[in-house]
Amino acid sequence: AQKVTQAQTEISVVEKEDVTLDCVYETRDTTYYLFWYKQPPSGELVFLIRRNSFDEQNEISGRYSWNFQKSTSSFNFTITASQVVDSAVYFCALSEVTGANSKLTFGKGITLSVRP
Amino acid sequence: DAGVIQSPRHEVTEMGQEVTLRCKPISGHDYLFWYRQTMMRGLELLIYFNNNVPIDDSGMPEDRFSAKMPNASFSTLKIQPSEPRDSAVYFCASRSQDYTEAFFGQGTRLTVV
Repeated sequence: AQKVTQAQTEISVVEKEDVTLDCVYETRDTTYYLFWYKQPPSGELVFLIRRNSFDEQNEISGRYSWNFQKSTSSFNFTITASQVVDSAVYFCALSEVTGANSKLTFGKGITLSVRP
Repeated sequence: DAGVIQSPRHEVTEMGQEVTLRCKPISGHDYLFWYRQTMMRGLELLIYFNNNVPIDDSGMPEDRFSAKMPNASFSTLKIQPSEPRDSAVYFCASRSQDYTEAFFGQGTRLTVV
């Protein structure tokens, strides 16, 4: 069974600090996809990134970067020089690929508060 | 495309009443998911469909919950009878393939009093 663990529940930082959000996953499949979503206070869920299990290259997009390590089953998300607008709940998600079965499972989310 | 459309956005109902939540997925998407979000349990997957067929409903909490997808452009989640513990935000999401991201609707905030 697939599972996503986000052990951190709440993180509070001061603006301009760097912050890393942890995500650990469990799956028996060799082919799978990992995702990060952001849920700002307005409540919508916004897709941030997708990574497949065969691509372990780290990715950087502006102040955001993602570190995928299969050896530790982790897909961590770092925000550099955080800003107040980064305050949100961040979800990590896992999708196995098994024929027609493609469950998309989310972790419990990490509430990030960035103080001015 | 207008994205995933859910209705209503807010629903307040009395305990024991039937509640029906509606979702219109993005056109051409093969997968549709229903999630429930609460503070305690986070985002729980209730059920998902592939090409209108329910694939996994193991997350449906009990028989009071049912979901249907009569065609590719419409799905419903019904709670009958509703209970106060069903109060939550219910999200619908769709995706085109098993490896793509899911797009979420705005959610329905359900309050059962």
